Amino acid sequence: DIQMTQSPSSLSASVGDGVTITCRASQSIVSYVNWYQQKPGKAPTLLIYSASSLQSGVPLRFRGSGSGTDFTLTIDSLQPEDFATYYCQQTFRTPHTFGLGTKLEF
Amino acid sequence: QMQLQESGSGLVKPSQTLSLTCAVSGGSMDTGGFPWSWIRQPPGKGLECLGYIYPSGSTYYNPSLLGRVTMSKDGSKNHLSLKLNSVTAADTAVYYCARATMVHAFDIWGQGTMVTVSS
Repeated sequence: DIQMTQSPSSLSASVGDGVTITCRASQSIVSYVNWYQQKPGKAPTLLIYSASSLQSGVPLRFRGSGSGTDFTLTIDSLQPEDFATYYCQQTFRTPHTFGLGTKLEF
Repeated sequence: QMQLQESGSGLVKPSQTLSLTCAVSGGSMDTGGFPWSWIRQPPGKGLECLGYIYPSGSTYYNPSLLGRVTMSKDGSKNHLSLKLNSVTAADTAVYYCARATMVHAFDIWGQGTMVTVSS
């Protein structure tokens, strides 16, 4: 299986900060990476697909980049509603696997 | 706007079969040719994709489930089903159904249903 290693596992930030979360794949996955946001007790929501495409309705402060094995999710100017857990997912090869998550905290 | 709602047994005894249904509303599940999936999340842990069911009815299952899983769909009732047999405590999780896009990104999720495996 392709392993997706996310870092950091947790991150402290403040409203207005910019943050970057990284995800490294155990082999090249081209651009087959998606990013999700999950709030406590809720289902994940899709933010970014195919490494850099913004899902409809997602604010422009969310940006995805990368290709091959290294990917980043950047959030510009954090808003209070952005404090959540973020997951990357590879869909290059089955089984489609997720990273362990990055918890973004105050 | 399409919505998904999971339902089923919340408590299952070890070695028995977990059965869940996902009702699709706000549109036909057969429109658009999208795959459908079940994803689970053990308490306090990450996400695991259990597999897919495609518009044709063909399926892909995560090998980690060791052949214990069956996914099906009924377009006339607009719902999906998941069966997982021979469950153990390790199958305790929140189970989500989700629609996948053509690049297998999950763009619509149900709210999830908690299933506990315990005697």
